[in-house]
Amino acid sequence: DGGITQSPKYLFRKEGQNVTLSCEQNLNHDAMYWYRQDPGQGLRLIYYSQIVNDFQKGDIAEGYSVSREKKESFPLTVTSAQKNPTAFYLCASQWGGSTEAFFGQGTRLTVV
Amino acid sequence: GESVGLHLPTLSVQEGDNSIINCAYSNSASDYFIWYKQESGKGPQFIIDIRSNMDKRQGQRVTVLLNKTVKHLSLQIAATQPGDSAVYFCAENRGAYGQNFVFGPGTRLSVLP
Repeated sequence: DGGITQSPKYLFRKEGQNVTLSCEQNLNHDAMYWYRQDPGQGLRLIYYSQIVNDFQKGDIAEGYSVSREKKESFPLTVTSAQKNPTAFYLCASQWGGSTEAFFGQGTRLTVV
Repeated sequence: GESVGLHLPTLSVQEGDNSIINCAYSNSASDYFIWYKQESGKGPQFIIDIRSNMDKRQGQRVTVLLNKTVKHLSLQIAATQPGDSAVYFCAENRGAYGQNFVFGPGTRLSVLP
């Protein structure tokens, strides 16, 4: 089945640790995105990538890093510099000629 | 500032009734608008979109209306079913790619038996 897969579904992080969230898609989409979702707020863009080996900061990139070494994969690292990392993280991909973005099922990150 | 938002954070409707979810936007330069449905603990799913040169678009049991005069967008769901219970987001796209999406906070739709 074609789609976009995020893992893990739940992730717990200790203070001061870096953690990496996985996002894989087999839709052959060029563009991929990471969003953060907090209760009562709309999705906020962290990073995006329109092509392999290139990515750009979104509105809230501080404390996060990404890589795009393969078309299918766009992992997000939440670093210890992110002061309030507890949130629901959503990855999405999009084909350049379409208005529709396909979302993964999300990763819920909790700092303990 | 520019924003996309929703008039009501929650909406409860009786099963079988029609639902209307509203959204206000402030950027008249947006190219198109999208509605997403998000069930609890899951990622958003595309429902329907509408381009700025259209007033109305229909899908299966859903209709989106765009009123550019008052910068208002609405999603109508006909014969609401329990499976329609979710949070509904409108998003405004100011460019060709998803990095230009601006999402509203969402409206939670609860369908009563």
